Amino acid sequence: DTGVSQDPRHKITKRGQNVTFRCDPISEHNRLYWYRQTLGQGPEFLTYFQNEAQLEKSRLLSDRFSAERPKGSFSTLEIQRTEQGDSAMYLCASSPQDGFSYEQYFGPGTRLTVT
Amino acid sequence: AQSVAQPEDQVNVAEGNPLTVKCTYSVSGNPYLFWYVQYPNRGLQFLLKYITGDNLVKGSYGFEAEFNKSQTSFHLKKPSALVSDSALYFCAVKDTGRRALTFGSGTRLQVQP
Repeated sequence: DTGVSQDPRHKITKRGQNVTFRCDPISEHNRLYWYRQTLGQGPEFLTYFQNEAQLEKSRLLSDRFSAERPKGSFSTLEIQRTEQGDSAMYLCASSPQDGFSYEQYFGPGTRLTVT
Repeated sequence: AQSVAQPEDQVNVAEGNPLTVKCTYSVSGNPYLFWYVQYPNRGLQFLLKYITGDNLVKGSYGFEAEFNKSQTSFHLKKPSALVSDSALYFCAVKDTGRRALTFGSGTRLQVQP
């Protein structure tokens, strides 16, 4: 399978703990995105990378959230001092850098439950 | 700012009948419009997009969508629904100069046999 992969698929953590998620994009895609989806809602944009540069960040990305893509390939999303409101599905997507491929291809997501 | 509205939480249709899932949008520049489908325990799958050109765009699994600039709408359609089309459908928009997609709240399509 050459699609976007995410690890882990599920994470249960206690409030106050730190968690880190990983995303591996489609290999030839240089653009990578993180979204968050809560129950009954559509995905909400968090941040966007082109290669290793983080070019766009949402106001949803509070100081407790940090994302990296150090070598322009995989990316990590870390949440520090988790809160119950962080419980959601975290989705990663990627897209290629050609002129008209604006569609994004999504991974299966990481479901976070904060207890 | 960019936004999307999907006015129906759920659409019910009988198998074999045509289906329409509605979407309206708001952007400041030229819209780039997308439909995605989400099956249980699976990620979002891209169905189709409108970037420029023909107002009627065709996508995967027999779906099509009609772009209407004057009504700022991008409704998803299929001439004959299948039970296997039952899923959650999301409309999304991207404004010129941004990379982020803004999604609607989703419409659950239920196709009855």
